[in-house]
Amino acid sequence: AQSVTQPDIHITVSEGASLELRCNYSYGATPYLFWYVQSPGQGLQLLLKYFSGDTLVQGIKGFEAEFKRSQSSFNLRKPSVHWSDAAEYFCAVGWASSGTYKYIFGTGTRLKVLA
Amino acid sequence: DTGVSQDPRHKITKRGQNVTFRCDPISEHNRLYWYRQTLGQGPEFLTYFQNEAQLEKSRLLSDRFSAERPKGSFSTLEIQRTEQGDSAMYLCASGAGGRYEQYFGPGTRLTVT
Repeated sequence: AQSVTQPDIHITVSEGASLELRCNYSYGATPYLFWYVQSPGQGLQLLLKYFSGDTLVQGIKGFEAEFKRSQSSFNLRKPSVHWSDAAEYFCAVGWASSGTYKYIFGTGTRLKVLA
Repeated sequence: DTGVSQDPRHKITKRGQNVTFRCDPISEHNRLYWYRQTLGQGPEFLTYFQNEAQLEKSRLLSDRFSAERPKGSFSTLEIQRTEQGDSAMYLCASGAGGRYEQYFGPGTRLTVT
């Protein structure tokens, strides 16, 4: 069965420091991979996506993610965190099945940024 | 492209009452999803529409829940005889045919007292 694991429930970094949020997935083939960000009381905003091709993908707000098939990972990175990046981040896996698109989400990582 | 909208943003209801939520997807998006999100969790799939057809329902969706998308545009999610365990954020997302990503609305926060 497909699954998504985000091992870190909370992460705290200082403003200006680099960030890496981990995501591991379980799926038989190459899935579609996504990172979303959610601010308190809001919906999810798509940061970036991977479908195929270059394994390093760039997203909005200065984020990037790298797909590593051998490790079944899709970790999110940012070289220098801003205070406004404090939010919850969700990794998601999608796949096509019988003409539909299906998705499952990790449990999220809450990012706190210290001034 | 005005994004996915949901109404209301917040709903407080008493146990046993019925509630209905509305989702307006991005125009021309033929795929529409409903999710439920509780504190500290990611979104959990509830149901999926392709145009007006409801193609899939989660086992999480009890008989008290029903969803419609009558003309393939907006969708409604109704919960009958609400229970305290229904308290959650209900999220709607839409996607265009042939594109894999989905876009979320701001959600409806339901509190059942």
